Amino acid sequence: DVKVTQSSRYLVKRTGEKVFLECVQDMDHENMFWYRQDPGLGLRLIYFSYDVKMKEKGDIPEGYSVSREKKERFSLILESASTNQTSMYLCASSLHDRDQPQHFGDGTRLSIL
Amino acid sequence: GQNIDQPTEMTATEGAIVQINCTYQTSGFNGLFWYQQHAGEAPTFLSYNVLDGLEEKGRFSSFLSRSKGYSYLLLKELQMKDSASYLCAVVPGANNLFFGTGTRLTVIP
Repeated sequence: DVKVTQSSRYLVKRTGEKVFLECVQDMDHENMFWYRQDPGLGLRLIYFSYDVKMKEKGDIPEGYSVSREKKERFSLILESASTNQTSMYLCASSLHDRDQPQHFGDGTRLSIL
Repeated sequence: GQNIDQPTEMTATEGAIVQINCTYQTSGFNGLFWYQQHAGEAPTFLSYNVLDGLEEKGRFSSFLSRSKGYSYLLLKELQMKDSASYLCAVVPGANNLFFGTGTRLTVIP
C-alpha cells in the first residue's frame, strides 16, 4: 500500500513566521503535489514536482515555495505566514503516467494567528 | 480558464441509486478522475476515464462524454458508509489535476 505521510496533523503558527510542511512517500513515485483545501473552494494546486530538484507552479503559488532535494520528500514553505493561509494542506504523490491516481496524505490543518 | 461544475449537496436513501454529475471546461483534457473523501480524511481514488463510455467497478460506475464535457458517477445499492464528498478532477495537462469543489452526499436510512 502507498503511504504518504505528512509531518503534522495540526499546526498553529503566528503571522510572519516561516512555516515548513513536510511530506514523505514510500512508493518511489516520481510526482508529488501540494494542495490546499478550503470550504466552497475545493482542492487547489499550489506546487508540484516531477523529479528531484524540479518544481512547477500550480494554480495558487503566491506566498509559497517548495523544495524537493530527495525523491521521497517534498516540502512546502510559507515564507512569511499570513492569516489567509489558514487552511487544510494536503500532499499527494503518483507515478509519472497521467492515468495513475494520486495518493493523498491525511493532511495538515494549519492555523495562522 | 478552467471550470468544473458539480452539485454542492445531494441526499439519497439507503439501498437506492444516485448519480453525481460533473461538467467541465478546461484548457486541455487527458482524463477525468473521481475521488471519495470522508469528512476529516484524505481523498481516495475511485475511478479514471479517458475514453467515452461507462466504466463499472462493483457498486460504482463512472461515465464520460468528451464531446459534451460531461461525466457522472453512479453509486448503486447505497450504504450509510457512502456518505462522503465526491470530487471530480480533470487532467488538463501532463500530470496535474484540476478539481471541482466536490459534492457532499448524505445517505439517509
